[in-house]
Amino acid sequence: EDQVTQSPEALRLQEGESSSLNCSYTVSGLRGLFWYRQDPGKGPEFLFTLYSAGEEKEKERLKATLTKKESFLHITAPKPEDSATYLCAVQPMYSGGGADGLTFGKGTHLIIQP
Amino acid sequence: NAGVTQTPKFRVLKTGQSMTLLCAQDMNHEYMYWYRQDPGMGLRLIHYSVGEGTTAKGEVPDGYNVSRLKKQNFLLGLESAAPSQTSVYFCASSRRLAGGSFYEQYFGPGTRLTVT
Repeated sequence: EDQVTQSPEALRLQEGESSSLNCSYTVSGLRGLFWYRQDPGKGPEFLFTLYSAGEEKEKERLKATLTKKESFLHITAPKPEDSATYLCAVQPMYSGGGADGLTFGKGTHLIIQP
Repeated sequence: NAGVTQTPKFRVLKTGQSMTLLCAQDMNHEYMYWYRQDPGMGLRLIHYSVGEGTTAKGEVPDGYNVSRLKKQNFLLGLESAAPSQTSVYFCASSRRLAGGSFYEQYFGPGTRLTVT
């Protein structure tokens, strides 16, 4: 069974204090790993897709990396507007040729204090 | 582009009532999905569709039905609502890259449903 575990569940940082969020996954084969941001009362907003170990993607203060067992979302010098829940999801390789949905982790609730 | 839209935004039902949630996308995406999000559970797939006229079950399909009569619309139906179906429902869509890879999914704003 595919599993995605995110840690920590919640993280409180001071503005400018860099940190990393972890996403550990167990799948029979990985087609892609996705990071989303979700603000309260809103739908998830796409951030990154990673396909293979060693791959890195960057967007403003965020950088996502991927290994064979986990992914990290690094946040550099965060600002209060980076406060949100960050979701990790995997697309397994065996999707039967169809479009099986993503398997999501429970998310990390990030709070950046001014 | 409006992206993915969902109606209604909020709804309160009594046990046993029925309703339909509508999802529409204007991105010409082939694939569409319905998820539910519950506290401490993460997003879970209910049903999905790979094209007009086709649907398939996801992880938690019981108590729900879906239809995809038009490419841009995906409907989620609750025939007899139960309190366990109290949740936030999200619709998503994506396109498929040739060769078997998958694009990211784009999500709608959600429908908050309460069943009393």
